Amino acid sequence: QITLKESGPTLVKPTQTLTLTCTFSGFSLSTSGVGVGWIRQPPGKALEWLALIYWNDDKRYSPSLKSRLTITKDTSKNQVVLTMTNMDPVDTATYYCAHSTRGIPDYFDYWGQGTLVTVSS
Amino acid sequence: QSALTQPASVSGSPGQSITISCTGTSSDVGGYNYVSWYQQHPGKAPKLMIYDVSNRPSGVSNRFSGSKSGNTASLTISGLQAEDEADYYCSSYTSSSTLDRVFGGGTKLTVL
Repeated sequence: QITLKESGPTLVKPTQTLTLTCTFSGFSLSTSGVGVGWIRQPPGKALEWLALIYWNDDKRYSPSLKSRLTITKDTSKNQVVLTMTNMDPVDTATYYCAHSTRGIPDYFDYWGQGTLVTVSS
Repeated sequence: QSALTQPASVSGSPGQSITISCTGTSSDVGGYNYVSWYQQHPGKAPKLMIYDVSNRPSGVSNRFSGSKSGNTASLTISGLQAEDEADYYCSSYTSSSTLDRVFGGGTKLTVL
């Protein structure tokens, strides 16, 4: 049974760096084809792809946020970490991590419950 | 990258069928058979409903179906039920972004 759970601060100040951790079970990020992605959703708005990492350490970033994002994996801990620098109130959103199995082009069949991050001073 | 275009809202009565469109370009929807659809109820995580244009994951009702014509993909829900009321998002592989994928803006389905 595959599960994912996001964790991290619920409140960050403008200009700070956000670090989110996706802890998963039921699969290994060392298995060929497996990927984990981060997606966010501002309140009342649409989903937005942020970053993805695959079993072979291939990484993909949103072009508009690339300079602010870093995604890494710790296969031994079953974790994927996303860092976003220079946070701004417009980054207030629910952040989700999700699982894929096929490699690019893929789809995301399991999602975490999401974690709401508010950016405010 | 530009988002795929979806209608902001659609509605239907119980038992009816509705279709949600997702329009892109030849660099995404029209060029590849890698469109997926996600259902999201308020306050919940998205749920995969369709992948690769028309494939349903195990456990998804066969009332949900997907198709594609040219640069437009469609999600059809037949025999509409109250529990289908939710937001629906399409996503497609794209060759025009280093991220390889793009979401639609989402469609709010209201069951009257």
